[in-house]
Amino acid sequence: DIQMTQSPSSLSASVGDRVTITCRASQTVISYLSWYQQKPGKAPNLLIYAASSLQTGVPSRFSGSGSGTEFTLTITSLQPEDFATYYCHQSYRIPYTFGQGTKLEIK
Amino acid sequence: QVQLQESGPGLVKPSETLSLTCTVSGASINSSFWSWIRQSPGKGLEWIGYIYYSGSANYNPSLQSRATISADTSKNQFSLRLTSVTAADTAVYYCARRRDGTGRLDYWGQGALVTVS
Repeated sequence: DIQMTQSPSSLSASVGDRVTITCRASQTVISYLSWYQQKPGKAPNLLIYAASSLQTGVPSRFSGSGSGTEFTLTITSLQPEDFATYYCHQSYRIPYTFGQGTKLEIK
Repeated sequence: QVQLQESGPGLVKPSETLSLTCTVSGASINSSFWSWIRQSPGKGLEWIGYIYYSGSANYNPSLQSRATISADTSKNQFSLRLTSVTAADTAVYYCARRRDGTGRLDYWGQGALVTVS
């Protein structure tokens, strides 16, 4: 199985900050990498797909980059509604796998 | 607007079979891939498998052949059966649409908590 490792596991930041979350794959996933935001009691919500494509309706302060085994999700100018848990997900090789999550908390 | 809604028993006894149905509206299941994902309490996300509109399916080998995903195109629904459940199968089960070849899961159901006890 392809292991997806996110760092950091948790992160404290303030409104207006810029944050970056990293996702590393144990082997290449090409660009079959997506990012999801999950709030408590809710289903995950797609933010980024194909490593760097912004899903329709997602604010432009979210961006993704990377290919192969290393990927990043960047949020510029954090808003109060951005405090949530973020997951990366590879859909290159079955079994598809998710990162363990990064919890973004208010400082 | 595409919507997915999970339904099924919230409590299943150990060694019995978990059965969930996902009803899709706003899109036909005769296209795309239709997936099941679960999340154990306080844990991360686990991909269970998907079914393609043609009827072919793929599963997570970690479930050791206990999972079966099927589709009923006449009702625009797809279903999950998980046999021989244990407490480790207690989770929130989500259905989701895999949109295209990029693998993105663009629409999700609200989730259904299934407790094995």
